[in-house]
Amino acid sequence: DIQMTQSPSSLSASVGDRVTITCQASQDISKYLNWYQQKPGKAPKLLIYDASNLEKGVPSRFSGSGSGTHFTLTIISLQPEDIGTYYCQQYSTFGPGTKVEI
Amino acid sequence: EVQMVESGGGLVQPGGSLRLSCAASGFTFSTYWMSWVRQTPGKGLEWVANIKEDGSDKNYVDSVKGRFTISRDNTKNSVYLQMNSLRADDTAVYHCAREKLFTASALDSWGRGTLVTVSS
Repeated sequence: DIQMTQSPSSLSASVGDRVTITCQASQDISKYLNWYQQKPGKAPKLLIYDASNLEKGVPSRFSGSGSGTHFTLTIISLQPEDIGTYYCQQYSTFGPGTKVEI
Repeated sequence: EVQMVESGGGLVQPGGSLRLSCAASGFTFSTYWMSWVRQTPGKGLEWVANIKEDGSDKNYVDSVKGRFTISRDNTKNSVYLQMNSLRADDTAVYHCAREKLFTASALDSWGRGTLVTVSS
């Protein structure tokens, strides 16, 4: 089974900061990596699919990159509404999540 | 508007059964794979099962194989999760989600979920 790890597990940043979250797969998964944002009490929301494709309606300050085993989600200018937990996913496996606070 | 609404959750004793339902609307249901994903309170996400557009292919996480069954009724725009032999570690909020077309299981629309509590 493929294992997914994320780092950091949590972070605190200021409004306007550049934030980077990393997701590592235990084996090569090509480009098949998705990113989600979850706010408290809400269902997850798809942000990025296939490693680098921005889902419709998601602000352009979010971007994804990577392939193989190493992937990153970047928020180029953190906004107050970006607080929440971010998860990576490869098919049937989710990463453990990264909690983002302001 | 794309929408999924789950129902059927509740309190059940260990060893018991529940059937979850998910009613979908706002899109051509019969052309999408559908998934169930669960989330333990305060913890992370776990994919549970998915089903092909026509119901001919189903996949499950190892921990539920032989106990849970996913099914769908395209005439009712609904997907179901029959859960048998429930255990305490099945306690979670269960979400149904739509798999984005032409992707490897990106989940582009989610329901708010239904809470399943397994306890005596």
